[in-house]
Amino acid sequence: AQSVAQPEDQVNVAEGNPLTVKCTYSVSGNPYLFWYVQYPNRGLQFLLKYITGDNLVKGSYGFEAEFNKSQTSFHLKKPSALVSDSALYFCAVLNLGGYNKLIFGAGTRLAVHP
Amino acid sequence: SQTIHQWPATLVQPVGSPLSLECTVEGTSNPNLYWYRQAAGRGLQLLFYSIGIDQISSEVPQNLSASRPQDRQFILSSKKLLLSDSGFYLCAWSISGDYEQYFGPGTRLTVT
Repeated sequence: AQSVAQPEDQVNVAEGNPLTVKCTYSVSGNPYLFWYVQYPNRGLQFLLKYITGDNLVKGSYGFEAEFNKSQTSFHLKKPSALVSDSALYFCAVLNLGGYNKLIFGAGTRLAVHP
Repeated sequence: SQTIHQWPATLVQPVGSPLSLECTVEGTSNPNLYWYRQAAGRGLQLLFYSIGIDQISSEVPQNLSASRPQDRQFILSSKKLLLSDSGFYLCAWSISGDYEQYFGPGTRLTVT
């Protein structure tokens, strides 16, 4: 069965510093991986996805993610954090059973401090 | 461009009362549609998904039901709400072959 894990409940980073939000996955076959962001009392916004191709995927708002097959990881990164990046981040993997169902991680709360 | 609407934005209902949450999608045809519940600002639980009109699949047994009377309309219902039905309900859509899902703004339901 497919699954994703986000090992950190919260990540704290100072504004201007690089940030990393971790995600590991477990799938049989090739993974289809996604990152979403959620601001308070809002729906989730799609940031980026990895389907195939380059291991470094660039997405919205300056975020990128690195697919690492050997470590079964898909960590979200940004070179310079902004206070406005503070939000809840979800990693997800496509459920290969069909219908584009996604399996979400538990979420990681990112707090960027001025 | 595609947009997704949910209403109401917030709802406070007493235990035992009925529920109807609506989701509509504009700008696309024959989308896959999904209902999620998010409790305590954390993980998402997939409740229902639909691949077409009157084609609904339930992911977990519960006090809720879903219907899709039109191609781009997805309704979440309950006959009698429980306290445990409180949460943030999110509707999402996707297109077959496009993989990512796009979410609506959500409905905050409080059952009192």
